[in-house]
Amino acid sequence: GAGVSQSPSNKVTEKGKDVELRCDPISGHTALYWYRQSLGQGLEFLIYFQGNSAPDKSGLPSDRFSAERTGGSVSTLTIQRTQQEDSAVYLCASSRRGGRETQYFGPGTRLLVL
Amino acid sequence: GESVGLHLPTLSVQEGDNSIINCAYSNSASDYFIWYKQESGKGPQFIIDIRSNMDKRQGQRVTVLLNKTVKHLSLQIAATQPGDSAVYFCAENPEYGNKLVFGAGTILRVKS
Repeated sequence: GAGVSQSPSNKVTEKGKDVELRCDPISGHTALYWYRQSLGQGLEFLIYFQGNSAPDKSGLPSDRFSAERTGGSVSTLTIQRTQQEDSAVYLCASSRRGGRETQYFGPGTRLLVL
Repeated sequence: GESVGLHLPTLSVQEGDNSIINCAYSNSASDYFIWYKQESGKGPQFIIDIRSNMDKRQGQRVTVLLNKTVKHLSLQIAATQPGDSAVYFCAENPEYGNKLVFGAGTILRVKS
């Protein structure tokens, strides 16, 4: 079956511009997660959705970052007024119900802010 | 301070040998642990998990060991193959239903 998909796979933008990153979770998965991976680093949690609600936004680094999820499926991560330090790979994961269920990751979106 | 992530530890093994990748976790309240494999340009791929009520779990060619006393996790790969070359991350789940906290990662290089 189809895994987690993300788009675009690569994004180059200029400092100060807004970007939107999209995640399509595995069909039927209620839990969705966003992580960020800077060059050579481990993954850093950003936000967790259960259905359309986000009970944990604790990892969002600033108010320039926001995310939404609609219809309990697709999620969009938006970064406003991008900065060079936002350059990273943004990874999305989903799991069936959250909790101790396995998180399956997408291929990521590689964001480069010039 | 120094970013340890820029200098990931590297384990080089000969094809056919066994590999052991180690991880220290930080939160004594964590009760669920996972190993992921990440190949270049791809997202992390689930390998195996273990709950804190166990100290060992085996999968296909992989074994995870958990030592809660010293907060240490290890991944053993038997008969390592070139396709095992990747970055391996351990992750802990300190809170029910929420985020995974990832370690910095270990690079595994398999020599043919």
